[in-house]
Amino acid sequence: AQSVAQPEDQVNVAEGNPLTVKCTYSVSGNPYLFWYVQYPNRGLQFLLKYITGDNLVKGSYGFEAEFNKSQTSFHLKKPSALVSDSALYFCAVRARNDSGTYKYIFGTGTRLKVLA
Amino acid sequence: GAVVSQHPSRVICKSGTSVKIECRSLDFQATTMFWYRQFPKKSLMLMATSNEGSKATYEQGVEKDKFLINHASLTLSTLTVTSAHPEDSSFYICSAGQRLNYGYTFGSGTRLTVV
Repeated sequence: AQSVAQPEDQVNVAEGNPLTVKCTYSVSGNPYLFWYVQYPNRGLQFLLKYITGDNLVKGSYGFEAEFNKSQTSFHLKKPSALVSDSALYFCAVRARNDSGTYKYIFGTGTRLKVLA
Repeated sequence: GAVVSQHPSRVICKSGTSVKIECRSLDFQATTMFWYRQFPKKSLMLMATSNEGSKATYEQGVEKDKFLINHASLTLSTLTVTSAHPEDSSFYICSAGQRLNYGYTFGSGTRLTVV
């Protein structure tokens, strides 16, 4: 079955420290992977994507993610966390429907809390 | 950049009534839009894929007669929650894009409360 797992419900990190939000996936074929961020009562904002090419992908607001095929992971990282990074983060993978069309499958989300 | 507008942002309705939520792509044409429901424990569930000019494709377990989706034009999809009940209270989010491979844009969401 095609799926995305975010094993951590919440991640706490001190401001200025590096942060990692974990994501693993299971999908048939080459994975197309995405990270989104959600602020309270708002829709999701696109952060970055991996389609092909370099395993380290750089995105918005200083975030980056590393694609690891052998570990089927796509962890989100940032070298120095800001309090304003506190939000809900979703990992997503493109999956194929039985009809041959595509859709996103989202992880359950990880709440990031950056402490001042 | 691609902008998706969702309206209303909040709605309170009485049990038994119907509520319509609109999703518009403002600066691009979207042949496909997606409707999600977000539950209190934050997981995002795909409800249906809205296709312009044809019937929506519903995910397993989603009642198509309960959640009516219409994609009348390349820039507008609507989700109508019919005969709403308190358990339909949730955060509904739409998304649209020009190419699925390149990250879809999400609307700002609609908080539905059924009393």
